[in-house]
Amino acid sequence: AQSVTQLDSQVPVFEEAPVELRCNYSSSVSVYLFWYVQYPNQGLQLLLKYLSGSTLVKGINGFEAEFNKSQTSFHLRKPSVHISDTAEYFCAVSPSAGGSYIPTFGRGTSLIVHP
Amino acid sequence: NAGVTQTPKFRVLKTGQSMTLLCAQDMNHEYMYWYRQDPGMGLRLIHYSVGEGTTAKGEVPDGYNVSRLKKQNFLLGLESAAPSQTSVYFCASSYSIRAGEQYFGPGTRLTVT
Repeated sequence: AQSVTQLDSQVPVFEEAPVELRCNYSSSVSVYLFWYVQYPNQGLQLLLKYLSGSTLVKGINGFEAEFNKSQTSFHLRKPSVHISDTAEYFCAVSPSAGGSYIPTFGRGTSLIVHP
Repeated sequence: NAGVTQTPKFRVLKTGQSMTLLCAQDMNHEYMYWYRQDPGMGLRLIHYSVGEGTTAKGEVPDGYNVSRLKKQNFLLGLESAAPSQTSVYFCASSYSIRAGEQYFGPGTRLTVT
């Protein structure tokens, strides 16, 4: 079984500042990793995913994430945030081989961008 | 393409009443899921389906039943609603159960009084 820990439940930041949302996972097998975003009163949509290859993954809206296997982390970053980035962000993991194949979601991090 | 749609968007039930939530997808995805989202708890999987006619239990299946009679539809039923089932319910679908991204519906906000 795998688990996902999002270390911060809420991250306040000022507009145009950089931001990092942290995600750590545990798994006995290799994994695929995902970040989803949920805008207010909407469903989740995919920001980016890591399946294999380059550990730096670029997604939509200027977000990127880096897979660090030794630290079992997949932190999400943006160099300059906008008010419109205010949303809930979810990290998710699913095994790439063996184990239960259902994705596991973290509890979410609320990104609040202040003007 | 409408993607994933959910019906209804809002519902208020009294304890003991029953209802069915409908999820429909037009992407020909094999896999479909029902989640509930509660504050501070993230998404918790209720039931899922790996194809037409199949269903399986997720993390929090008690008090819910599901059916997948047609590939494009996944129904979630509450036979006897309880206040603990007050939540926002999301349906999702995917083409692959491991590497494929999930496509989510807009959610159903259910209140049980």
